[in-house]
Amino acid sequence: GAVVSQHPSWVICKSGTSVKIECRSLDFQATTMFWYRQFPKQSLMLMATSNEGSKATYEQGVEKDKFLINHASLTLSTLTVTSAHPEDSSFYICSAREGAGAGQETQYFGPGTRLLVL
Amino acid sequence: DQQVKQNSPSLSVQEGRISILNCDYTNSMFDYFLWYKKYPAEGPTFLISISSIKDKNEDGRFTVFLNKSAKHLSLHIVPSQPGDSAVYFCAASVRYSSASKIIFGSGTRLSIRP
Repeated sequence: GAVVSQHPSWVICKSGTSVKIECRSLDFQATTMFWYRQFPKQSLMLMATSNEGSKATYEQGVEKDKFLINHASLTLSTLTVTSAHPEDSSFYICSAREGAGAGQETQYFGPGTRLLVL
Repeated sequence: DQQVKQNSPSLSVQEGRISILNCDYTNSMFDYFLWYKKYPAEGPTFLISISSIKDKNEDGRFTVFLNKSAKHLSLHIVPSQPGDSAVYFCAASVRYSSASKIIFGSGTRLSIRP
């Protein structure tokens, strides 16, 4: 149980284009989904938290107009990197959590999406 | 401001022996702690967790110990196996308003040698 998928796993795009990454919880309903970014040999950096049906909460320093997050259903969240530039190249990982109550803190992660902007 | 610290970037352990991964934290508001295992180019895999009201949680070969007074937790893997070679992230959960989020440490690369 607790499987989270991401699509695509790899994307290469030209500078200036927009890229959409999907995150799905396959066997549970995710009231909250998270988007992380990981640079080589560094830890996971939380970018934003999204709750189904409401606006995402972005971490300090993350441009909300650059990284558009939509959480339209309990099983799907999308991250759109708008007008991508080479510095946006990174490994993007989503995670999902079933609830927000005590004992439901565990997040289950997707396999990640490697973005390379040329 | 690193609220969750893993001071050892790497650790090498012989197969069959015990692996001990350490983690320190600074925020006394953390109420839940988790360990994740990660292979390159993959998402982290949840291993084990512990609530702040407990001091030990065991699941098979994995045991997590929490020392709240020292703000320290550790993950013990025994016996260590070759498949345990990966990067291990310590993480802590903090509540804000009606939600919570996880803050990750920088990770420790564990290598199990034959």
